[in-house]
Amino acid sequence: SYNLTQPPSVSVSPGQTASITCSGNKLGDKYASWYQQKPGQSPVLVIYQDNKRPSGIPERFSGSNSGNTATLTISGTQAMDEADYYCQAWDSNTASVFGGGTKLTVL
Amino acid sequence: EVQLVQSGAEVKKPGESLKISCKGSGYSFSSYWINWVRQMPGKGLEWMGIIYPGDSDARYSSSFQGQVTISVDKSINTAYLQWSSLKASDTAMYYCARRMVGSSPTAYYFDYWGQGTLVTVSS
Repeated sequence: SYNLTQPPSVSVSPGQTASITCSGNKLGDKYASWYQQKPGQSPVLVIYQDNKRPSGIPERFSGSNSGNTATLTISGTQAMDEADYYCQAWDSNTASVFGGGTKLTVL
Repeated sequence: EVQLVQSGAEVKKPGESLKISCKGSGYSFSSYWINWVRQMPGKGLEWMGIIYPGDSDARYSSSFQGQVTISVDKSINTAYLQWSSLKASDTAMYYCARRMVGSSPTAYYFDYWGQGTLVTVSS
């Protein structure tokens, strides 16, 4: 089965840029999505189709996907961005997988 | 407004059966695949399976095949996740989510999520 690997944790200072990676075999040949989850809440979509932002998601969230790695970038990170982030891809039309998740800490 | 509303928290004993639900509203329920996602306490998201309400076509992650059953009743816009014999290790939050497709045919993503159903299995 297909696997996605994320770093368990990333730390960033307020106002700086946070980058969270997601690695998988030929991930660049698939589409990646990213979800933000805060404690006690359902996940929220922040990036889909590699680099598209849903309505209501701030412009500081961006994404890229090439080779074996997809990256979620948060520019000008704010305290409210502290959360767990999950990448997702589809191995087939009816088989999906999530990465293990990355805890973003804004110090 | 699109909504996915899940059934309430459950406390069960090992060996008992359970069926939880996910009711969609505000869109054409039959036209969008519904997914189930598990989150064990303090852990990450795990994709369990997917069902198309239009024809009840269900597919499962290999990790969950044979462990759960996903079904749907499109007449009442509701998807289900059920267990025939619960184990303590089934204790988790379970989410349903609607699958959307982007501007490319295989650019799938989850645009709406339910609020989650907490299942606790304990003797």
